[in-house]
Amino acid sequence: AQSVAQPEDQVNVAEGNPLTVKCTYSVSGNPYLFWYVQYPNRGLQFLLKYITGDNLVKGSYGFEAEFNKSQTSFHLKKPSALVSDSALYFCAVRVLSYNTDKLIFGTGTRLQVFP
Amino acid sequence: EPEVTQTPSHQVTQMGQEVILRCVPISNHLYFYWYRQILGQKVEFLVSFYNNEISEKSEIFDDQFSVERPDGSNFTLKIRSTKLEDSAMYFCASSQTGYEQFFGPGTRLTVL
Repeated sequence: AQSVAQPEDQVNVAEGNPLTVKCTYSVSGNPYLFWYVQYPNRGLQFLLKYITGDNLVKGSYGFEAEFNKSQTSFHLKKPSALVSDSALYFCAVRVLSYNTDKLIFGTGTRLQVFP
Repeated sequence: EPEVTQTPSHQVTQMGQEVILRCVPISNHLYFYWYRQILGQKVEFLVSFYNNEISEKSEIFDDQFSVERPDGSNFTLKIRSTKLEDSAMYFCASSQTGYEQFFGPGTRLTVL
């Protein structure tokens, strides 16, 4: 079955330090992977995606993610965290077949950046 | 920048009542979706819609749910007889190609 796992409910990091939010996936076929961010009382904002090509994907707000096929991971990273990055982050995989087209989301990781 | 909009932002209803949640997708998008997020839980797929018909629906999307694209711009989700467990944030999403889904701000549905 297709699935996405975010093993950490919460990640705490000091402002200015690098951050990593972990995601692993299980899909058949080539994975289409996404990161979304949700600020309080807001919708889901697209951050970045991996479809094919370079394993290091750059996205919005200085975020990047590294696709690792052997480890089936797609961790979200940022070299220097900001307090304003504090939010809920969701990893998602697109499941696509002849009769299916949907995103499956992980459980979310709350990122808390401390000043 | 074009965006997906949803109305209302918050809907309170009594159990057993019908609700209609409205979405205006981005204008040149062809694929439409509804997801929901029960408070504190993950985002769950409800239904996808393409070419004026449902492409796929989840097990959550039972006979109480229906979707429509009545006028070429709006995309609605109807719940015929709401239950307490339908209380959630409902997100509409649209996509031009199917690769990247753009989400609206959500409608918080509270069933009393």
